[in-house]
Amino acid sequence: QVYLQESGPGRVKPSETLSLTCTVSGYSISSGSYWGWVRQPPGKGLEWIASIYYNGETHYNASLKSRVIISVDTSKNQLSLRLTSVTAADTAVYYCAELTILSYWGQGTLVTVSS
Amino acid sequence: QPVLTQPPSSSASPGQTARLTCTLPSDINVREYNIYWFQQKPGRPPRFLLFYYSDSDKGRGSGVPSRFSGSKDASANTGILLISGLQSDDEADYYCMVWPVNVWVFGGGTKLTVL
Repeated sequence: QVYLQESGPGRVKPSETLSLTCTVSGYSISSGSYWGWVRQPPGKGLEWIASIYYNGETHYNASLKSRVIISVDTSKNQLSLRLTSVTAADTAVYYCAELTILSYWGQGTLVTVSS
Repeated sequence: QPVLTQPPSSSASPGQTARLTCTLPSDINVREYNIYWFQQKPGRPPRFLLFYYSDSDKGRGSGVPSRFSGSKDASANTGILLISGLQSDDEADYYCMVWPVNVWVFGGGTKLTVL
């Protein structure tokens, strides 16, 4: 069974940096897939944030590119996301997902941007 | 970043067939891309349903019943999700997605109500 589990602070203050980690079990990040982050503001649709290939190749949503860094730690089988200078508009459920087969998603973690 | 257009809502009765559409922008030819479909229920991550490229190149996610199928209307540059034999459990939000080179793009989602 493949499991993805997001972790990180549930609340971040405006202008600060949001950092999330996704721990993958049952599937090696180095196996040759795209991994990424997708977010969903409350009551709204899905928005792709960023993807990373197992070899380190990265791709970003153009609207977020200046504020986002995605990375992988293959030794820990983890995926990470950093989003800088957050505002209330970044309040969302953040999902990590395998983005090639598309069948493996974390349960999501709600991040609220608020002082 | 391209935009995929989905009707915000749709409804159908149990036993009927629901037809959900996903219109691509004119600069993305539906003939050239896989169309991916996801189902999402409240508080849950998206569930991969299927992808459709052509009748000879398509696939469903693990455990997805054959009642769910895909097609395309090239004249309308649109991907289509068909759900036959509607059940109350099919009531959910449905998202389409395309994966042009190095970007993942979701539609705005359609809320399907089973009357």
